[in-house]
Amino acid sequence: KAGVTQTPRYLIKTRGQQVTLSCSPISGHRSVSWYQQTPGQGLQFLFEYFSETQRNKGNFPGRFSGRQFSNSRSEMNVSTLELGDSALYLCASSSTQLGLGNTIYFGEGSWLTVV
Amino acid sequence: GQQLNQSPQSMFIQEGEDVSMNCTSSSIFNTWLWYKQDPGEGPVLLIALYKAGELTSNGRLTAQFGITRKDSFLNISASIPSDVGIYFCAGQRNNDMRFGAGTRLTVKP
Repeated sequence: KAGVTQTPRYLIKTRGQQVTLSCSPISGHRSVSWYQQTPGQGLQFLFEYFSETQRNKGNFPGRFSGRQFSNSRSEMNVSTLELGDSALYLCASSSTQLGLGNTIYFGEGSWLTVV
Repeated sequence: GQQLNQSPQSMFIQEGEDVSMNCTSSSIFNTWLWYKQDPGEGPVLLIALYKAGELTSNGRLTAQFGITRKDSFLNISASIPSDVGIYFCAGQRNNDMRFGAGTRLTVKP
C-alpha cells in the first residue's frame, strides 16, 4: 500500500511569491491534515480537511490556505511568502477525522526555503 | 495553542541501555501517538494508544496511555545505533492535534 506522497520535496521561493504544495493520502483515507515544522516552533498544526471540507484550522494567518479534492488529494497554498515561512511542511492522512481515536500517517514533507 | 511538554529534550546513551521519555499536558487527550523522525524525513508512526491505561508494545518499544489521559511515556529497551533520531509524542483531542517538542536520542556504540 503506497504511503502519503508529497510534492515537491524541495523548493526555493522569493519573498512575496506564492507556493502550492500537493499531498496524496494513503488510498482510502479521507482525512488530510497539514503541519509546519521549524527548529524554533516544532510541529504545528495548520488545518485538516475531510470530505473536501476544512474541519479545523490552527493559529496561522489567512495567507495559509488549502483545499481537498473529491479523490481526497489535497493542496496547501501560501501567498505573499515571508522569510519566516521557510520550513518543512508535512501532510498526514487518516481514515477518519482527527480526534476520533484514529492513527495518522505522515508523508516525507516538502522543504520550502524563502529567500 | 499549547504544545505538549515532552522530556527529556535530549539523551546520550550507550548501546544496549534502556531509554524512557514522556509527554505531559494540562489537558485530556483521546489518543496518544509516538513518532520517530530521521533528519530530512517525515515522522514515522511507532505506537498508537487509544484508551486510558493502555500499554502497547512494538518490538523493543513500549508505550503507555496515562490513566489520567494527560500523559504518556515511551520506553525503548536494549537500544541500538539505528534508534538514533528525534522522537515525538502527539495528542489528539476532539478535532485538534498537539505535539511535543521532541526528544533527540543519540546512541553511542
